[in-house]
Amino acid sequence: AQSVTQLGSHVSVSEGALVLLRCNYSSSVPPYLFWYVQYPNQGLQLLLKYTTGATLVKGINGFEAEFKKSETSFHLTKPSAHMSDAAEYFCAVSAYNQGGKLIFGQGTELSVKP
Amino acid sequence: EPEVTQTPSHQVTQMGQEVILRCVPISNHLYFYWYRQILGQKVEFLVSFYNNEISEKSEIFDDQFSVERPDGSNFTLKIRSTKLEDSAMYFCASLRRQGTDTQYFGPGTRLTVL
Repeated sequence: AQSVTQLGSHVSVSEGALVLLRCNYSSSVPPYLFWYVQYPNQGLQLLLKYTTGATLVKGINGFEAEFKKSETSFHLTKPSAHMSDAAEYFCAVSAYNQGGKLIFGQGTELSVKP
Repeated sequence: EPEVTQTPSHQVTQMGQEVILRCVPISNHLYFYWYRQILGQKVEFLVSFYNNEISEKSEIFDDQFSVERPDGSNFTLKIRSTKLEDSAMYFCASLRRQGTDTQYFGPGTRLTVL
């Protein structure tokens, strides 16, 4: 079975500050890990994903995440927040033998203050 | 860029009525999914569909739900007799092949059951 825990349902940062959104996963097989972003009244857009290979993955809009197997974590970071980053962020896990099904975390709402 | 589309964007129905939510997946994709998101909660997997049959379904996907790919392009979710608790955003997603490929989501249909 797989599960995802996102620490912090709401994170608030100032514009230009570091963004750190935390995600921990549980998986009995090697995981595929994803971060999706949801802007108000829109669908889910893939930010980045880890499947195999390099553990530091870069995504769109300056976001990156590092897969740390020993910590079962896949935290999302961005060095400098922009107002347009305000959105809901979802971490998700899948696996090669799970038929592509995604298991999502509860989501973290990111607010960016001017 | 190809995208997943969903209609309608918002559906209001009376409790006990049947609703059909429609999705057009990306044309060369082979795996199709429905997820739902109750307001303020996480995105939950409902069902996956491949080769014209359900490959996996969650415990949420009971006998009131059904899926169909009637014409090789549309992918539909039917709820036979809606309940108040079916009110949610329903997302369709598609995937070209399992493994490392990206699952693309539609913009969602907001279902309101009165």
